[in-house]
Amino acid sequence: DAKTTQPPSMDCAEGRAANLPCNHSTISGNEYVYWYRQIHSQGPQYIIHGLKNNETNEMASLIITEDRKSSTLILPHATLRDTAVYYCIVRVRSGGSNYKLTFGKGTLLTVNP
Amino acid sequence: EPEVTQTPSHQVTQMGQEVILRCVPISNHLYFYWYRQILGQKVEFLVSFYNNEISEKSEIFDDQFSVERPDGSNFTLKIRSTKLEDSAMYFCASLRPGGLEKLFFGSGTQLSVL
Repeated sequence: DAKTTQPPSMDCAEGRAANLPCNHSTISGNEYVYWYRQIHSQGPQYIIHGLKNNETNEMASLIITEDRKSSTLILPHATLRDTAVYYCIVRVRSGGSNYKLTFGKGTLLTVNP
Repeated sequence: EPEVTQTPSHQVTQMGQEVILRCVPISNHLYFYWYRQILGQKVEFLVSFYNNEISEKSEIFDDQFSVERPDGSNFTLKIRSTKLEDSAMYFCASLRPGGLEKLFFGSGTQLSVL
């Protein structure tokens, strides 16, 4: 699986959009970009994933550059409860038993009142 | 949303003792995982389990560790003789076949080995 690079920490004001960047310059054509987050030592929580098109769900939006070498997770209206470590993970969609997520250090997003 | 349930939330044990961490995965999921996170460090993969056998294990998952699905609902991690360095948060996770490949994690068991 391709390596990812994320800033170690970011701050965001409550109510504003949080834009979390991720570089994955060695990504292969069949690798997806997944985002998970971990709130204060709870279990990681799936947020969103995509291949090459931008994606949106009830939690966030994912913007992937045309060359797929980087992506941005957008939390449109950050709340204090969004304070967490956010992990960008690149992996091949394999199906089932060898679905192994490799977590990096992620970005600690702190949402300030 | 359905949840992965882990018990106990905290476990304290003496070095050399056996511990069993328990998990109830989501009912229609078929793939099961254990991860661990030592305080201040990354979340690390331990083992994946499918069709009543281990699919993959990391180098951390040595002979002291074992997993079992003793019935249709529980998934357990056993550490035969705990060491101080086994102190960590242990997360169980499960995955439904097909679909989004969205891994659901439990809230973890904090294991403290004294």
